[in-house]
Amino acid sequence: AQTVTQSQPEMSVQEAETVTLSCTYDTSESDYYLFWYKQPPSRQMILVIRQEAYKQQNATENRFSVNFQKAAKSFSLKISDSQLGDAAMYFCAYKGADKLIFGTGTRLQVFP
Amino acid sequence: EAGVAQSPRYKIIEKRQSVAFWCNPISGHATLYWYQQILGQGPKLLIQFQNNGVVDDSQLPKDRFSAERLKGVDSTLKIQPAKLEDSAVYLCASSLDRRRDTQYFGPGTRLTVL
Repeated sequence: AQTVTQSQPEMSVQEAETVTLSCTYDTSESDYYLFWYKQPPSRQMILVIRQEAYKQQNATENRFSVNFQKAAKSFSLKISDSQLGDAAMYFCAYKGADKLIFGTGTRLQVFP
Repeated sequence: EAGVAQSPRYKIIEKRQSVAFWCNPISGHATLYWYQQILGQGPKLLIQFQNNGVVDDSQLPKDRFSAERLKGVDSTLKIQPAKLEDSAVYLCASSLDRRRDTQYFGPGTRLTVL
């Protein structure tokens, strides 16, 4: 069975600085997708970024980028120029042939 | 483009009562999902619909939970009777298809069972 592990329950960063959130996963599938979702206190899950496993190029969305290491089964999220509005829970998720599987989340605090 | 709509946003009930949640997916999305998110955890899939047929309900507690998606659009999730451990946020999501496409989530319904 596939698993997703987020080993950092909490992280903090100062405004305008860069922070990296870690995620590892375990799978025997070759075709899958990886996601980072943001969940602010409003509880709505918001898609941050998506990576197709067959693509070697790391996905980027404005200030958000990933470091996808397929052999190591690692999928970290880098947030550059952190803003107060980035404060939220961040969930890493895996989607193969079966259901979408989430990690336990990392709470990101942003300090002014 | 309108997002996934859910109602109510909050619900407080006593144990053994029944409750229902409603979800309207993004227009044109064939696949609809219901998730349960207990405080401090990631969402867990309860049931997945493809149009109006059930694709996966393996983690749905069928003795008390039921869900339907009439006409392949809106969906209702019901709990009857509720237990204390059902206190959670119930998230609805939709996607164009179930294999490749990204899931988009609604705002969720926070259920408190007293």
